[in-house]
Amino acid sequence: KAGVTQTPRYLIKTRGQQVTLSCSPISGHRSVSWYQQTPGQGLQFLFEYFSETQRNKGNFPGRFSGRQFSNSRSEMNVSTLELGDSALYLCASSLGTANSGNTIYFGEGSWLTVV
Amino acid sequence: DAKTTQPPSMDCAEGRAANLPCNHSTISGNEYVYWYRQIHSQGPQYIIHGLKNNETNEMASLIITEDRKSSTLILPHATLRDTAVYYCIVRVRNTGNQFYFGTGTSLTVIP
Repeated sequence: KAGVTQTPRYLIKTRGQQVTLSCSPISGHRSVSWYQQTPGQGLQFLFEYFSETQRNKGNFPGRFSGRQFSNSRSEMNVSTLELGDSALYLCASSLGTANSGNTIYFGEGSWLTVV
Repeated sequence: DAKTTQPPSMDCAEGRAANLPCNHSTISGNEYVYWYRQIHSQGPQYIIHGLKNNETNEMASLIITEDRKSSTLILPHATLRDTAVYYCIVRVRNTGNQFYFGTGTSLTVIP
């Protein structure tokens, strides 16, 4: 069974631009969540989508947005990029049932550098 | 959400057991304890999780104290490839799949 796939793996953008990152979950998984990892803040939850609806949202500005498609694939978008948005963006998928025992599986991440 | 406390770093000799502790004194009755690890520049890898009973899989064992206020992840025979940051996470109940990662323990396996 293929794991969580994220594209692109590496990208460089200029301040003020926008970026879209893509995530394909494990087959059969309906929940996709996104995390940002920086050296200073560690791993932080961005948002979670389940059945094309945002179910949870972390404490990030509105420049960070996402969506999920009917096939459970997800994209996240960051508009008006700032230098501080340089980070590893991680996607994780799970079956999606809202109980404590639901395990999430991560992709390898997308490295974003803003210059 | 229940917070976890882990030592920032640990060393372990190759071939020996690595015992990584985690304190979660405010854990609620239905909250699970999860362990993930992250090797540099890769996505976090799921290791194991448990609720009350001790758990074992092909990667590790998880020992949870009877009062559930702490747990220990055991890697029975550490190898150099086990060098990573290990995160102990308490899963918040009824919040979908939102996980709170702390700073973890940086484990270095020494040859």
